[in-house]
Amino acid sequence: ETGVTQTPRHLVMGMTNKKSLKCEQHLGHNAMYWYKQSAKKPLELMFVYSLEERVENNSVPSRFSPECPNSSHLFLHLHTLQPEDSALYLCASSQDYGQGTDTQYFGPGTRLTVL
Amino acid sequence: RKEVEQDPGPFNVPEGATVAFNCTYSNSASQSFFWYRQDCRKEPKLLMSVYSSGNEDGRFTAQLNRASQYISLLIRDSKLSDSATYLCVVRKAAGNKLTFGGGTRVLVKP
Repeated sequence: ETGVTQTPRHLVMGMTNKKSLKCEQHLGHNAMYWYKQSAKKPLELMFVYSLEERVENNSVPSRFSPECPNSSHLFLHLHTLQPEDSALYLCASSQDYGQGTDTQYFGPGTRLTVL
Repeated sequence: RKEVEQDPGPFNVPEGATVAFNCTYSNSASQSFFWYRQDCRKEPKLLMSVYSSGNEDGRFTAQLNRASQYISLLIRDSKLSDSATYLCVVRKAAGNKLTFGGGTRVLVKP
């Protein structure tokens, strides 16, 4: 396996719920990413953290709130989501961000359904 | 126009046959190119990087055509286990932001 784990693997939530997705990488990497993969659409980059600082925020609605407490852990806090937010949420990590040469390794994803 | 475009397929391929498909990208400043493979309900995994001179990894051959802004992937002697969605991925010079195509689905049948 890739050394990137995500929990939970499946999540069903109502629009008024608050939940969090967790990602952990065991590869000693310095950069971590959140992606969204909706049905029949390409992967969309949501957030990038490098050395625990957010370096990219791709116009993501505020109902998605990332947190990176250390270089091994990344969270995505969810609140008041919409049904169209149902998707596969993938976490990835790479050795560094600024080098432009690093392979990204993906976790297995959390399949989120918003009712 | 999408930044990275792929034929979604599916490409139905007899086992043992050769299949090839392309991916076009719109940003001429793109610097790095990759093919990722994604199995059904699984995460994407890097298949191979694509170099300017073209490169081969076993039964897989990747080519880059900068003038026409496309990359290609060719799979020889297709195996049943090659059935997957192949994602074309492009990166610009700065940072490590990847732009993904929508994927090309390949189904290898006995």
